[in-house]
Parts: sequence; structure tokens; C-alpha cells
Amino acid sequence: QQPVQSPQAVILREGEDAVINCSSSKALYSVHWYRQKHGEAPVFLMILLKGGEQKGHEKISASFNEKKQQSSLYLTASQLSYSGTYFCGTPPSGNTGKLIFGQGTTLQVKP
Amino acid sequence: DTGVSQDPRHKITKRGQNVTFRCDPISEHNRLYWYRQTLGQGPEFLTYFQNEAQLEKSRLLSDRFSAERPKGSFSTLEIQRTEQGDSAMYLCASSPALAGGRDEQFFGPGTRLTVL
Repeated sequence: QQPVQSPQAVILREGEDAVINCSSSKALYSVHWYRQKHGEAPVFLMILLKGGEQKGHEKISASFNEKKQQSSLYLTASQLSYSGTYFCGTPPSGNTGKLIFGQGTTLQVKP
Repeated sequence: DTGVSQDPRHKITKRGQNVTFRCDPISEHNRLYWYRQTLGQGPEFLTYFQNEAQLEKSRLLSDRFSAERPKGSFSTLEIQRTEQGDSAMYLCASSPALAGGRDEQFFGPGTRLTVL
């Protein structure tokens, strides 16, 4: 079951904040966040595990709400370099390595 | 180590031809994954290996697709009798097989396949 991301697209000015959500109709075992720039490979940002929250690099952090089966990615004081498409990926069970990715959220940061 | 590498970066082929892609993972990583990505979509899981064992293969994957990882090092993905619908970016990723959900997957640059 593919996780659902919202919004589909966001346009920001430099310095503004954004939140990207990733939700699932099934239990989430962990949530992996990636950023992909046009024509490049996805770059790992962070993993969130059940029962915990893990902060990533720069001014990007995330939370994991097990009860709501949802994770949110927070981008604070956005920079031009934050532009790209953000994907969340989740394993469909607790004993597999594969990830099922959401459809992506495109973020554009303007000067 | 410079990360996951893939070869070729671009492949143009005619419908009906066979193609083979190669992936070299990060050297200490036990797991190797293949994903496919089309424009505007997230990566779609194809198959993955732990060392030389193929642990899982997508049920959506046609029998025309086969992957190998001899000796648990590099991997190859072969597509036989290519179709126009196979046109996509084929991504390889590797991970150290950490337990407890902490297994970070690192992606290679991908091979872009165009089937004419």
C-alpha cells in the first residue's frame, strides 16, 4: 500500500517554513525521507523509527506519529538548495528491506 | 569509497532487444536493491538481495526481468524483449542491513532506459 503525501507541490520564498506529510492506511514500521533534485538520484535525509523521532541535517527535522500512521517533514527557514522533490518511503512489514515510496512532494524555493 | 555506481548511465534500445545494467554497491553493504522510476512518480521496488541471495521480487515484475548478484558484490539487471513501457530510470541502492529499521538505503545515479 503506497503511502500518501501531501501537499503535492509547495512554492516558498527563501526563509519561509514548510511541512510535508506522509500518511498510510496500514501500520508504519519506519519512515525514510529522501530528497531528489531533477535528473539526480534520491538523497537520503533521515529515518524515523517507531517510538522515536530522529532529527536530520541542516534545518530539516521530522516527526513520526504511530497512532495516526503519519510522519511529517519540517523544513525551517528554507534555502534555495531545499528545492526538489521529497519522497517518503516505508517498509510494508517489519521483516523486509524494501521500501514503498509515496508519489512525492515538489518543493520550489524562490529568492 | 565513492558510493553506489551504475553503468551505463543512459541506454537507448529498440523494442524487442535485450539490455543489461550493472550496479556496484558501497563495498561494505550487504543489501542491494533495484527500483524503477518514471516521470513524476516515486521509485517503485523491483527486487533486492542480501549478499548473493535474492530475497524478494515484486509481483508486478514481468518474467522478462531478471537480476543476479553473483558472489554478493555487483549486481546485474537484465530486461529481455524490451517494450516501450520499460522506458524509465532504473535505480540501484545499497544498505548495510542494519537491524531495527535503521537500514539506510543509498542510491546510485541511475540508468535511464529509452525504448524506441
